[in-house]
Amino acid sequence: QVQLVQSGAEVKKPGSSVKVSCKASGGTFSSYTISWVRQAPGQGLEWMGRIIPILGIANYAQKFQGRVTITADKSTSTAYMELSSLRSEDTAVYYCARDYRNWGQGTLVTVSS
Amino acid sequence: DIQMTQSPSSLSASVGDRVTITCQASQDISNYLNWYQQKPGKAPKLLIYDASNLETGVPSRFSGSGSGTDFTFTISSLQPEDIATYYCQQYDNLPSTFGPGTKVDIK
Repeated sequence: QVQLVQSGAEVKKPGSSVKVSCKASGGTFSSYTISWVRQAPGQGLEWMGRIIPILGIANYAQKFQGRVTITADKSTSTAYMELSSLRSEDTAVYYCARDYRNWGQGTLVTVSS
Repeated sequence: DIQMTQSPSSLSASVGDRVTITCQASQDISNYLNWYQQKPGKAPKLLIYDASNLETGVPSRFSGSGSGTDFTFTISSLQPEDIATYYCQQYDNLPSTFGPGTKVDIK
């Protein structure tokens, strides 16, 4: 059974960057799509972008273009999402998902001065 | 971007009731639609993919239908453990987009 384990909660200052990891175990990593979805407190789900590790190609939502970078390390079956120029509105739980079937547990990122 | 709308935004029903949620896409998405269940503090759980296919392990009281722009999600007999927020998601075009969610609780 595929399991995605994400890195722990982060507290960041406005203007800084955060990098969240998502490590896959128990299944194939490279040939599936890894997507990143975030959820602000009390709000709905927002798609940020995705990567296909075997191709190394990432696509991003226009809203985050220029601020988000999604990468994948096939050797460790780990995907990463880095978000820069953080502002308070980026406070959210960030999820990774493999083909939308398997989801990480979520990582709370709090942006506060 | 494709806009997804859902109705109702919330509903209250009795145990055993049939519950229906609708999702509408702003343009034709064929059948590239997922339905999720999300409980507080948990990650979304995929219930239905390709608009009408039940994900492995998901109870058969959940079902989905539709294609093009109009979709329906049904719980045939609401159970107490079904209390959650339900989201639709299109994955026909990038960026993928989610509906705003429907909160379901017990009357």
